[in-house]
Amino acid sequence: DGGITQSPKYLFRKEGQNVTLSCEQNLNHDAMYWYRQDPGQGLRLIYYSQIVNDFQKGDIAEGYSVSREKKESFPLTVTSAQKNPTAFYLCASSGLAAGEQYFGPGTRLTVT
Amino acid sequence: GDSVTQMEGPVTLSEEAFLTINCTYTATGYPSLFWYVQYPGEGLQLLLKATKADDKGSNKGFEATYRKETTSFHLEKGSVQVSDSAVYFCALNLGTSYGKLTFGQGTILTVHP
Repeated sequence: DGGITQSPKYLFRKEGQNVTLSCEQNLNHDAMYWYRQDPGQGLRLIYYSQIVNDFQKGDIAEGYSVSREKKESFPLTVTSAQKNPTAFYLCASSGLAAGEQYFGPGTRLTVT
Repeated sequence: GDSVTQMEGPVTLSEEAFLTINCTYTATGYPSLFWYVQYPGEGLQLLLKATKADDKGSNKGFEATYRKETTSFHLEKGSVQVSDSAVYFCALNLGTSYGKLTFGQGTILTVHP
């Protein structure tokens, strides 16, 4: 089945530690995205990538980093510089139809 | 900048009631408009879309019409079911940044039997 997988579903970390969230897609999509979701604030774009080895900052990139070494994979690292990292993180991908994005099930990160 | 505003929630309805969730937008060009739905504990799914003025998107009994004159894209359903309980997001895409979406804040819908 084609789709997007994110792992793990729940992640717990201590303050000051970096953590990497996984996102893999087998839809053969060129573009991939990372969003952060907080209650009452909708989705905010962290980073996006249109092609391999290239990515752009979104609206809230500070404290995050990404890589795009393969078309299928777009991991997100939440660094210790992110001041409020506890949130629900969603990965998405899209093909040629602009605006039609396919989402993974999300990773809920809790930092204490 | 571009933005999407949705009606405040939560919205609570009885089964078979009529649903309207308001959405208005501000954009510098001619956006495509979307409604996404998020069921509890899941990612978002595309519900419907419209790419130009006066287009009507529809899916699973939901409808929304792209109204350029009022910059709106209100979501409607004639008879809601308990299974429609979810968070609904309105979004726009200007096509200038590859697939990039601007989302509203989401509206929580709860339907009671």
